[in-house]
This record gives sequence, structure tokens and C-alpha cells, in this order.
Amino acid sequence: EPEVTQTPSHQVTQMGQEVILRCVPISNHLYFYWYRQILGQKVEFLVSFYNNEISEKSEIFDDQFSVERPDGSNFTLKIRSTKLEDSAMYFCATSLQSFFYEQYFGPGTRLTVT
Amino acid sequence: QKEVEQDPGPLSVPEGAIVSLNCTYSNSAFQYFMWYRQYSRKGPELLMYTYSSGNKEDGRFTAQVDKSSKYISLFIRDSQPSDSATYLCAMSASSGGSNYKLTFGKGTLLTVNP
Repeated sequence: EPEVTQTPSHQVTQMGQEVILRCVPISNHLYFYWYRQILGQKVEFLVSFYNNEISEKSEIFDDQFSVERPDGSNFTLKIRSTKLEDSAMYFCATSLQSFFYEQYFGPGTRLTVT
Repeated sequence: QKEVEQDPGPLSVPEGAIVSLNCTYSNSAFQYFMWYRQYSRKGPELLMYTYSSGNKEDGRFTAQVDKSSKYISLFIRDSQPSDSATYLCAMSASSGGSNYKLTFGKGTLLTVNP
């Protein structure tokens, strides 16, 4: 069964460093999303991406965050200068356009900022 | 008032019990209602979705939506120890265009005891 994959599974970084989280979407899916889940909190929407541009972003997704699909397969989330409060699980999700509500999540990347 | 409220539990039941999980919401624009299952430190796994009001059944799982009360439920019949997980409700207020983000409840931790 097709699945969303994410790398790395765990990333430890120092405050102020840049990190790139990677996702490989399900092959025929065209909508991509990033969500995050701070430990003990709810899953929160960050950004949606379609046709090589951002469709929607939340207030969390400030200038420190960016997304791109650099090579037609990977979908990346970059945090330019990490803060302690960026520590969380980051989930990539993908969907078909016509079935956007069926979003399939990857296993997540646990980001720890020290 | 939070957009989506979900009792975090924990909920502990004996094997074979009927489990009822619920969410309430305040945004009347929500049209699509999803239930996800999340095992510890894993990504959310889509269980079921329902559009607008009504019931939907899939094996041992039944999802109900009551839009007039802004209340959704997931029932699990003949619960099994393998059902032990956190159950997340999620909702979407699609109006066409790009508004495909999911808004999640905090999740209910369920333990089914053998």
C-alpha cells in the first residue's frame, strides 16, 4: 500500500540553526501539507501546497518557515533559524485534489531544538 | 471557545466493550468530519470520514455527525486490545478553492484491556 515517508525520523539541532525536513508524498497525490504536534498538544496545520505554490498557511507559518518541491518528488519544510519552541513532531500529509479530506500522514519527524 | 473540543480521557474499557468517542465544534462552516487513529509517536492514520450529517459504518466502526448540535461521534463495537491508541477527530470547512486544512481535536487516549 502506498505511503508517505519522511526523513529524518529524529533531528536534533541547536537554536538558531537551519533544518530541512523531507517528505516523499504518495505518487499520484497533488496536495501536500505540513502539520506539527507539540508534545501533549493537538495536531496543528502549518501550510498546504499545490501546483508549486502555497495554497494556505497558518499564523504559525511565519517568515522562518518555507516549503518547496525541489525535484518533483520530495516535499520539504525548511526552518531558517530554529527556536526552542519549534521542538515538535512535524507531519507531512498528502491527498488527491478531489478527495482532499482523505489526507494521508507520514510517520513524522521529531525535531528537538536545544 | 475552541474550534474543536475533545475529551482527552484517558478512557479504559474491557475487551469486547462498545466505545463511544466524541467531539464538539463551534465552526458551523465545517462540512467534512474525519476520525484518525494515532499510535504513540506515529503519524495519524485515517479511519473514516463523513460528509455533512448522518451515519457511516465500516466494520466495527460507526461515525455519526449531528450538525444541528455540532457534535460528532465514533463508536467502536467489540473493542480489541489492538484498538488501544489515541483517537483524533478532525474537520474541514472546504468551500472549494484551497481551504483544505484539517482542524484537529486534542485526541482521546483509549486503552482496551484484555
